[in-house]
Amino acid sequence: NAGVTQTPKFQVLKTGQSMTLQCAQDMNHNSMYWYRQDPGMGLRLIYYSASEGTTDKGEVPNGYNVSRLNKREFSLRLESAAPSQTSVYFCASSLVGLHGNSPLHFGNGTRLTVT
Amino acid sequence: GENVEQHPSTLSVQEGDSAVIKCTYSDSASNYFPWYKQELGKRPQLIIDIRSNVGEKKDQRIAVTLNKTAKHFSLHITETQPEDSAVYFCAARTSGTYKYIFGTGTRLKVLA
Repeated sequence: NAGVTQTPKFQVLKTGQSMTLQCAQDMNHNSMYWYRQDPGMGLRLIYYSASEGTTDKGEVPNGYNVSRLNKREFSLRLESAAPSQTSVYFCASSLVGLHGNSPLHFGNGTRLTVT
Repeated sequence: GENVEQHPSTLSVQEGDSAVIKCTYSDSASNYFPWYKQELGKRPQLIIDIRSNVGEKKDQRIAVTLNKTAKHFSLHITETQPEDSAVYFCAARTSGTYKYIFGTGTRLKVLA
């Protein structure tokens, strides 16, 4: 039982390049999330998926796209990377209903640098 | 929109003393409040959570209190140890949504 797995762990991109961050969970969770973490700004929600087939914007969605490929997998795509997207990206999942309460389980993160 | 404010941003305490971190949320419909600990270079991990129908919850040296009227909740760590040194994040989730909104974090340093 690996929990939430993210790939890659590190990535360096040049401005304008594209890439996809992969995330998979094996806990049969229905909700999945992408956060970015920057110094002094905590964890900010980029996009989330309440269930397979649905995605919604979070606090900072500009410059990103997501795909909920199936119940297990939720990917984050940067179409044209910018230096402002240099950050640590965390994927998370949760077994949560619309009114239920369940914690987020995080992956180990992807450290992305855009030069 | 929803907002969670967290204070202080840094906190230094002597080993054995208590530490208190406070968070305030904006959405009165928030009903679930988890706390996460993040060690350097690691992922955030849940340490305790509280639901809106409970005023206080304890787990050994850690406790969380919730004041729904004032819309704030606090993390209390007693008898602090060097291994408690980390960044702590509070979060809030609103019933009827799937979003978890985080505070900006508190860097706790426990001085031996």
